[in-house]
Amino acid sequence: LAKTTQPISMDSYEGQEVNITCSHNNIATNDYITWYQQFPSQGPRFIIQGYKTKVTNEVASLFIPADRKSSTLSLPRVSLSDTAVYYCLVGDGYNFNKFYFGSGTKLNVKP
Amino acid sequence: NAGVTQTPKFQVLKTGQSMTLQCAQDMNHNSMYWYRQDPGMGLRLIYYSASEGTTDKGEVPNGYNVSRLNKREFSLRLESAAPSQTSVYFCASSERGDTGELFFGEGSRLTVL
Repeated sequence: LAKTTQPISMDSYEGQEVNITCSHNNIATNDYITWYQQFPSQGPRFIIQGYKTKVTNEVASLFIPADRKSSTLSLPRVSLSDTAVYYCLVGDGYNFNKFYFGSGTKLNVKP
Repeated sequence: NAGVTQTPKFQVLKTGQSMTLQCAQDMNHNSMYWYRQDPGMGLRLIYYSASEGTTDKGEVPNGYNVSRLNKREFSLRLESAAPSQTSVYFCASSERGDTGELFFGEGSRLTVL
């Protein structure tokens, strides 16, 4: 069972780069790594996804080392509106379509 | 383009009552999911449906039943509600069930007294 571990919370200031790391020691060969953002009273929203190395889109970058046992979500120049809970998601490892969320990281961005 | 729509958004039940949460997606996705989120916690998978006509248990299936009515709709039923089922319920769908790119609804807030 592929479980994830993330820091409970992080603080940052506007304009800084924020890196949130997720540990997934039991990730299976076929699993992708996906990150979500969740605001209060809303459903999670997809941010970025990767399988290995580095992926970048218009809002974030995702770094995955060769052993894939961890991943780092990088948010460049955060603003107050980036205050949210961030989750990494991996698969079950045995059953496609079965995905588990960790406890998430509460990011607090201060002015 | 509505995406994933959940009804109702809010519901209060008494212990022992039954109810069904409805979920519909208009993205022609194959896979659909039900998660619950307790206050201050992460999401836990209740049931999922890899494709029309199939369902399977997640982490916390006890006390729930599901029906994949067709490709668009996936319902979650509480046969005899308990206070421990007070939570926010999220439905999600995915085009490719194996990658983890899920699209979520806005949630249904359920209180069981």
